[in-house]
Amino acid sequence: GAVVSQHPSWVICKSGTSVKIECRSLDFQATTMFWYRQFPKQSLMLMATSNEGSKATYEQGVEKDKFLINHASLTLSTLTVTSAHPEDSSFYICSARPRGYGYTFGSGTRLTVV
Amino acid sequence: AQKVTQAQTEISVVEKEDVTLDCVYETRDTTYYLFWYKQPPSGELVFLIRRNSFDEQNEISGRYSWNFQKSTSSFNFTITASQVVDSAVYFCALSEARRDDKIIFGKGTRLHILP
Repeated sequence: GAVVSQHPSWVICKSGTSVKIECRSLDFQATTMFWYRQFPKQSLMLMATSNEGSKATYEQGVEKDKFLINHASLTLSTLTVTSAHPEDSSFYICSARPRGYGYTFGSGTRLTVV
Repeated sequence: AQKVTQAQTEISVVEKEDVTLDCVYETRDTTYYLFWYKQPPSGELVFLIRRNSFDEQNEISGRYSWNFQKSTSSFNFTITASQVVDSAVYFCALSEARRDDKIIFGKGTRLHILP
């Protein structure tokens, strides 16, 4: 149990376009989800906390208008990278904390902007 | 402030050797959780262990063992009789109960097990 599904696993897009990444909790409800970004050979950096039914909380230095987060239901949070540029190329990973479990992470999305 | 330090950036050992990955943390909270995750080349995060701040018992799981010492704010991870499949990046992480359950990761230790 306690599975988080993330889609797509990889995506290549053109510079200037937007990309949406989905994070779903498959067998539990998640009022809170977390989005992380990981550049090659670096650690995971928390970008934002996604709250169901309310605005996301962004970490310092993360552009709210560039990384749009929507948490419209108890099982789905989406991260949209708007007007993507090559410097946005990274590994994005979401997580949730089902009750009684440790944190569960999605399998990640590798974004390449060309 | 929350902080997790993994001083070892990269370690290489020969297969069957034991290896210890160090983790030192900082927190002002009395209630917190510590984690270890494994990240193989495929990228997904594999959960290894969670330990709460009130449980200082060491833990052993097969070839893996963890040593939690609050006195030195350390949560070290030892792999006994290492195998090539253990090659990965290992992250130590901290979550404070009062900070909305956010996990803060260390920079990770890249472990190479040489055949």
